[in-house]
Amino acid sequence: KQEVTQIPAALSVPEGENLVLNCSFTDSAIYNLQWFRQDPGKGLTSLLLIQSSQREQTSGRLNASLDKSSGRSTLYIAASQPGDSATYLCAVEERNNNDMRFGAGTRLTVKP
Amino acid sequence: GAVVSQHPSRVICKSGTSVKIECRSLDFQATTMFWYRQFPKKSLMLMATSNEGSKATYEQGVEKDKFLINHASLTLSTLTVTSAHPEDSSFYICSAKTSPILRETQYFGPGTRLLVL
Repeated sequence: KQEVTQIPAALSVPEGENLVLNCSFTDSAIYNLQWFRQDPGKGLTSLLLIQSSQREQTSGRLNASLDKSSGRSTLYIAASQPGDSATYLCAVEERNNNDMRFGAGTRLTVKP
Repeated sequence: GAVVSQHPSRVICKSGTSVKIECRSLDFQATTMFWYRQFPKKSLMLMATSNEGSKATYEQGVEKDKFLINHASLTLSTLTVTSAHPEDSSFYICSAKTSPILRETQYFGPGTRLLVL
């Protein structure tokens, strides 16, 4: 059964710092991997989606990489801002079905 | 992008009552909808997958008589928590996609916070 793990569970950084969030998954038979942002008590906002054939995706200050063979993905946030404070979730869509499996998230706090 | 709404956004109920949560796709037809449950500081857990006009497929460990799912139209799925108990308190999120076969993005709703007293 696919398991998705995110490290660290929580991270606090000063404003302006570059940071990396990590996601690992146990079964490399994925269709895609997606990073989401979740604000407290809110739903999910999709940030980046990487297809299994891709190595990375970029959007603004965000860059996500995917190494399917090692079961890892990273989300790089450049020049962090207090508005980036949220929980970041990664999820993999399994190749053989519609199911998405989520990590527990990394709770990011960016201090002004 | 596609929009998915949920209603209500927050509900408080007494133990033993039933609560219905609606998930609507506002600008597309959702042949497949998913229901997730999220515990505090935990990942989203897929509860069930429903295709329009057919019975929902429940994940292992999810009681189908407890969590009734109806997907009667292409724009609406409902989750009814029957005889709710305090342990059912959670954040419920739905998502939708346009095809059960084609690989397309799931669009997520804003979630419903359920508190059972």
